[in-house]
Amino acid sequence: EPEVTQTPSHQVTQMGQEVILRCVPISNHLYFYWYRQILGQKVEFLVSFYNNEISEKSEIFDDQFSVERPDGSNFTLKIRSTKLEDSAMYFCASRTSGSSETQYFGPGTRLLVL
Amino acid sequence: SQKIEQNSEALNIQEGKTATLTCNYTNYSPAYLQWYRQDPGRGPVFLLLIRENEKEKRKERLKVTFDTTLKQSLFHITASQPADSATYLCALVVPGTYKYIFGTGTRLKVLA
Repeated sequence: EPEVTQTPSHQVTQMGQEVILRCVPISNHLYFYWYRQILGQKVEFLVSFYNNEISEKSEIFDDQFSVERPDGSNFTLKIRSTKLEDSAMYFCASRTSGSSETQYFGPGTRLLVL
Repeated sequence: SQKIEQNSEALNIQEGKTATLTCNYTNYSPAYLQWYRQDPGRGPVFLLLIRENEKEKRKERLKVTFDTTLKQSLFHITASQPADSATYLCALVVPGTYKYIFGTGTRLKVLA
């Protein structure tokens, strides 16, 4: 069964450093998402991406964040200058077309900023 | 702004009983509402979707109801098993957007 994959599974970085989190969505999916989940808290929407552009972003997704789909398979989230409060689990998700289609989540990348 | 509340941060029930989890939302009714399961350290896994014109949806031992008057969805697991122990999340998409919002989840523990 197709699945969303994410790399790395864990990332430790120093405050102020740039990190790139990578995702490979399911191949025929058209909508891509990034979410974050701070330990013990709820899943929070960061950004949605469709047709090679951002379709929606939350107030969390400030200028320090960017997303890219550099080729036909990868979908990346970049944090330019990490802060301590960026420490969280980051999930990528994808879905096919249609507003009610199921989102498929990846296993997540646990980011720790020291 | 739209908010979701899932009451009972934790719910313990005996194996074999029916677990009932609640999801309440504020403001406007969504076109549909989704339920996910999340295990510790893992991504959410989709379980069921119910549309605003549907009263009830079933899948094996799972049942979801949607009451737009009460602005509430109930999620039932019948004949619960220890393997059902997980956090259950409800989610909805903000109308007119691509943005999904999630509730805080209810942590279910099924005792053997």
